[in-house]
Amino acid sequence: NAGVMQNPRHLVRRRGQEARLRCSPMKGHSHVYWYRQLPEEGLKFMVYLQKENIIDESGMPKERFSAEFPKEGPSILRIQQVVRGDSAAYFCASSPRGTTLYEQYFGPGTRLTVT
Amino acid sequence: KQEVTQIPAALSVPEGENLVLNCSFTDSAIYNLQWFRQDPGKGLTSLLLIQSSQREQTSGRLNASLDKSSGRSTLYIAASQPGDSATYLCAAVTDSWGKLQFGAGTQVVVTP
Repeated sequence: NAGVMQNPRHLVRRRGQEARLRCSPMKGHSHVYWYRQLPEEGLKFMVYLQKENIIDESGMPKERFSAEFPKEGPSILRIQQVVRGDSAAYFCASSPRGTTLYEQYFGPGTRLTVT
Repeated sequence: KQEVTQIPAALSVPEGENLVLNCSFTDSAIYNLQWFRQDPGKGLTSLLLIQSSQREQTSGRLNASLDKSSGRSTLYIAASQPGDSATYLCAAVTDSWGKLQFGAGTQVVVTP
């Protein structure tokens, strides 16, 4: 059973470009969480999705950031018009159920560098 | 608002010593608490999950305790090894959707 997969592992974008980060959950998991780790800061929750639904996006910046988890395919975190402050490691985690009974399994992360 | 704190921020011990890592949280109304390990440039590896109804969990050399009333969890690692060198993170779940609120982590170095 493959773990949570994220790609790309490293992404370099110039200011103003778009960044697309992909997350494929573990097999059988239909719940995805995205977290961001800014340099010298802890991990912060961004968004929680189920297939075709955004359940909680309370941690997402109000502008330029969006997330989706379509019926088929990976979950996508999209950052439009990136700025240097978006440089961070972005992690996704998956769970078989969106409840508190199950562990979240993390992917290796995508390290975004904005130049 | 839940605040999760880990003290100390860094810890260095000689090989063979037991490690004691502390995690405190301000809101005792947690659903569970999870301990992770993070190696440099890597993702997070789940170590132990303690439900709010439990007082401890054990896996091999690892033991984690949970005291909701005092807002504390402690991770014990017995007989530390250089391979245990990593950053250890605790995270509390305070809503029914399971989203994690993380501490800043304790960076551990085990010297041979």
